[in-house]
Amino acid sequence: SYVLPQPPSVSVAPGQTARITCGGNNIGSEAVHWYQQKAGQAPALVVDDDGDRPSGIPERFSGSNSGNTATLTISRVEVGDEADYYCQLWDSSSDHWVFGGGTKLTVL
Amino acid sequence: QVQLQESGPGLVKPSETLSLTCSVSGGSISSYYWSWIRQPPGKGLEWIGYVYYSGSTNYNPSLKSRVTLSVDTSKNHFSLRLSSVTAADTAVYYCARAGYDFYFDYWGQGTLVIVSS
Repeated sequence: SYVLPQPPSVSVAPGQTARITCGGNNIGSEAVHWYQQKAGQAPALVVDDDGDRPSGIPERFSGSNSGNTATLTISRVEVGDEADYYCQLWDSSSDHWVFGGGTKLTVL
Repeated sequence: QVQLQESGPGLVKPSETLSLTCSVSGGSISSYYWSWIRQPPGKGLEWIGYVYYSGSTNYNPSLKSRVTLSVDTSKNHFSLRLSSVTAADTAVYYCARAGYDFYFDYWGQGTLVIVSS
């Protein structure tokens, strides 16, 4: 079954670009989705595998996926983007959902 | 707007069974996958399992021997039972909906369940 390693933490200054990775063998062949979880709140989808964003999520959030790495890119980072971010995929071979370990984004 | 709301005891004794219900409002429970996901304090998300509106289920192998999910379409809710709980089962438990794109588009607010005597 899939294991999706993510870096435990990423730090960026406001206005810079944050890149959060999600690893996995040949993950580029899978549909990977990204969630944001702010302190004390439930996770919320920010980008799906097609690069679509739910209503209210700014265009600064984008996703890419190729080879062994999926990446969530947050451009022009704002203080309000500080949160934990999780990648997720559905493993069709086992019919299981899998989450990455999560990455804490700190805006310096 | 679809809304999910978890309900159930916030405190369960070790070795007993944890039982939670997720009530779905603003939409039908039909044609979706309904999952339970948990998050121990300070840790990441763990998918527990899903129940399809038809009643079919699939579980995380690490919990499969202790988990039962069920759905009641007449009441528009679905339920989780986790048996033989220990302190390691202390977590915030979320219910969530996924469609055929297999991402979770709606989540409950979560409910903290503490396992303690």
